[in-house]
Amino acid sequence: NAGVTQTPKFQVLKTGQSMTLQCAQDMNHNSMYWYRQDPGMGLRLIYYSASEGTTDKGEVPNGYNVSRLNKREFSLRLESAAPSQTSVYFCASSDNLSSYEQYFGPGTRLTVT
Amino acid sequence: AQSVAQPEDQVNVAEGNPLTVKCTYSVSGNPYLFWYVQYPNRGLQFLLKYITGDNLVKGSYGFEAEFNKSQTSFHLKKPSALVSDSALYFCAVRDSYTGGFKTIFGAGTRLFVKA
Repeated sequence: NAGVTQTPKFQVLKTGQSMTLQCAQDMNHNSMYWYRQDPGMGLRLIYYSASEGTTDKGEVPNGYNVSRLNKREFSLRLESAAPSQTSVYFCASSDNLSSYEQYFGPGTRLTVT
Repeated sequence: AQSVAQPEDQVNVAEGNPLTVKCTYSVSGNPYLFWYVQYPNRGLQFLLKYITGDNLVKGSYGFEAEFNKSQTSFHLKKPSALVSDSALYFCAVRDSYTGGFKTIFGAGTRLFVKA
């Protein structure tokens, strides 16, 4: 099992450009999450999807959109990138019916200039 | 509001000595508590969890954590630290207000183990 995979690993954008971060899990988990990690700020939840077909805002949703494409895939879109969105982005998944712990992808390091 | 606090930004310990990374929590109802570890340039990895049962929980890589309801604490421990344990450690609690779909993470504690 690959677990949680994310693409790309690194990305540099200019202000105003758009991009989509891809995430997929092969653990048949029902819930998926997008976080950003900034120095001194810990992990902050951007959006989550409790189950296929649903998405909800987290702590810092402004400037982002998400799509739960199917049970495996959960993408994060930046429509018009801003320097404040420079961060490391992590996708995670969990089985919220029985085990609850989250499994994280390797992250995407995004720089917006 | 539900919250998690890790009072130490950094913990330093010599290899072979016991280590403790502290965590306190505030939740409504029964707490579901977790520890995660993050190595440089990697995603978080699940170490262990407390849902119910024994207050001493054993996890990966020789780590254990002690749940203390009266002190609302869930400290991470290891009897003998290794240099390879040096990493960033996060305590977390399941957010029951959102039906348990969200997890609240602490700010993280950086552990340095010196040879």
